[in-house]
Amino acid sequence: DTVLTQSPALAVSPGERVTISCRASESVSTGMHWYQQKPGQQPKLLIYGASNLESGVPARFSGSGSGTDFTLTIDPVEADDTATYFCQQSWNDPPWTFGGGTKLELK
Amino acid sequence: EVQLVESGGGLVQPGRSMKLSCAASGFTFNNYDMAWVCQAPKKGLEWVATISYDGSSTYYRDSVKGRFTISRDNAKSTLYLQMDSLRSEDTATYYCARLLGIPYYGSYCDYWGQGVMVTVSS
Repeated sequence: DTVLTQSPALAVSPGERVTISCRASESVSTGMHWYQQKPGQQPKLLIYGASNLESGVPARFSGSGSGTDFTLTIDPVEADDTATYFCQQSWNDPPWTFGGGTKLELK
Repeated sequence: EVQLVESGGGLVQPGRSMKLSCAASGFTFNNYDMAWVCQAPKKGLEWVATISYDGSSTYYRDSVKGRFTISRDNAKSTLYLQMDSLRSEDTATYYCARLLGIPYYGSYCDYWGQGVMVTVSS
């Protein structure tokens, strides 16, 4: 199975730029997607295909990367962005996998 | 507006069965692959099962193969997950999700239900 590794937590101040990383154990080309999950809510799609912004998602969110290293950037961060962010790959045959999540806290 | 509404969760004893349902609306259900994704308390997300738009193809994670069955009724726009021989480690919130598959991008979930909690305990 393709393992996705994310840093467990980050803390930033509102107005700053934050990058959340996701590293895959093998190449997933551009088959990487990002979700935001706020406490008590279902996940919400932010980015698909590594860099494509889902309709309705603020342009403060962006994604980049290919192969094994991917980044979700939020610039500038707002208080409402407090959440856990998950990456997910689907390039290789199932099982598709999720990263362990990065909890973003605002100072 | 796309809506996915899960039902059927609750408390169940180990070894017993439970069936989850997901009622879909706001889109043409039989045009989309669908998935169940679970999240154990305070844990990350895990794929459980997926089913193709016409029900002809399914996928299961290894830990549920032979115990869980994903199915769909396109006439009723409803997705199901039959869970048999339940174990304590199956305790989780189960989400129903719509799958989109795009060449060069792979498959991802563009809409999620609110989730239903399944607790397996004696």
